[in-house]
Amino acid sequence: RKEVEQDPGPFNVPEGATVAFNCTYSNSASQSFFWYRQDCRKEPKLLMSVYSSGNEDGRFTAQLNRASQYISLLIRDSKLSDSATYLCVVKSTGGSYIPTFGRGTSLIVHP
Amino acid sequence: DAMVIQNPRYQVTQFGKPVTLSCSQTLNHNVMYWYQQKSSQAPKLLFHYYDKDFNNEADTPDNFQSRRPNTSFCFLDIRSPGLGDAAMYLCATSREREETQYFGPGTRLLVL
Repeated sequence: RKEVEQDPGPFNVPEGATVAFNCTYSNSASQSFFWYRQDCRKEPKLLMSVYSSGNEDGRFTAQLNRASQYISLLIRDSKLSDSATYLCVVKSTGGSYIPTFGRGTSLIVHP
Repeated sequence: DAMVIQNPRYQVTQFGKPVTLSCSQTLNHNVMYWYQQKSSQAPKLLFHYYDKDFNNEADTPDNFQSRRPNTSFCFLDIRSPGLGDAAMYLCATSREREETQYFGPGTRLLVL
């Protein structure tokens, strides 16, 4: 089993839709969680860190479920500009906080 | 203002010809990372520095070396590039290991 797993998609949704991605992790010692957005041929850019209490930034909401070992990203009112690959990153104390990436989930928002 | 800078943005080299990629940061972060990313794949960590302490990933080929002469700069040396080394090379920094990483724009390497 891979340490961090994501559904690669693509998720193909119309503008205005709500879409959610999950990311599961296998290491129960995981401590730090992040969502990054990566556009084609560009570098990953931080979308949001994920805290135990969950956090929200505008149309984006991230949640952490430690019991089931997954994090989620919810995007409301999708825009065309949200089309990108969303990468989940997990850092674990047992691994000296070596970042482990999921392979990413591709989102395509169409008119 | 750019915080993590990579040069060059595009690099073409010949098979077997050594190449050096550079990364600099203005954030004064302790940790610097080098990743290799191929098309449709997740970034793959090659190594990282915590201050001057070098940490190599077990599966990073010996062909890849790194130097961090000071806090601001980190270099990736590919001693004998092969066709399979063509990829995007990403540098990232974080203040502490458990904290957020910030990526540079990457260097796209082409091996002829």
